[in-house]
Amino acid sequence: AQKITQTQPGMFVQEKEAVTLDCTYDTSDPSYGLFWYKQPSSGEMIFLIYQGSYDQQNATEGRYSLNFQKARKSANLVISASQLGDSAMYFCAMILLTGTASKLTFGTGTRLQVTL
Amino acid sequence: KAGVTQTPRYLIKTRGQQVTLSCSPISGHRSVSWYQQTPGQGLQFLFEYFSETQRNKGNFPGRFSGRQFSNSRSEMNVSTLELGDSALYLCASSLSTSGMGETQYFGPGTRLLVL
Repeated sequence: AQKITQTQPGMFVQEKEAVTLDCTYDTSDPSYGLFWYKQPSSGEMIFLIYQGSYDQQNATEGRYSLNFQKARKSANLVISASQLGDSAMYFCAMILLTGTASKLTFGTGTRLQVTL
Repeated sequence: KAGVTQTPRYLIKTRGQQVTLSCSPISGHRSVSWYQQTPGQGLQFLFEYFSETQRNKGNFPGRFSGRQFSNSRSEMNVSTLELGDSALYLCASSLSTSGMGETQYFGPGTRLLVL
């Protein structure tokens, strides 16, 4: 069975600084995808970035980048130039790319607080 | 393009009652997945529907059921509600043309409180 571990329950970062949110995963399947979602207090899960296990380059989407280290089974999210609106819960999730993959396995999340 | 919509947004029920939640996916998306989020258990996968058929199922009791209509809209039903069913229920849709881990886009959720 696959597992996602997020060891930082909470993080603080100053506005305009960069922050790294940690995510490690465990699976014996060689084909998988890794996602990061943002959940503001309103509850909606907002898709940020995706990395496939066979992707050669680290994914980037605007201010978000994914530091994918396959050998270490880590997929850390880097947010550059933090903004006050980045304050939210952040979830790392994994999906197996086999068969009719549809089940996302989530970590416990990291609450990010951006300060002035 | 409109996002995933869920109704109702908030719901209060009492133990023993049943509840039906609705989810309308993004236009063109054929897969709808449901997740339960609680402070104690986190985010857990309930089930997924594709082309009106349940394609995957999580580890929840039979009180939790769902269905999908021909227009891809989905409903989730919980019968004989228990206090522990209080949660945020999130629906997600994806194109799922290949069924290979496509991005799931979530709705705003339905907050269910069972008294």
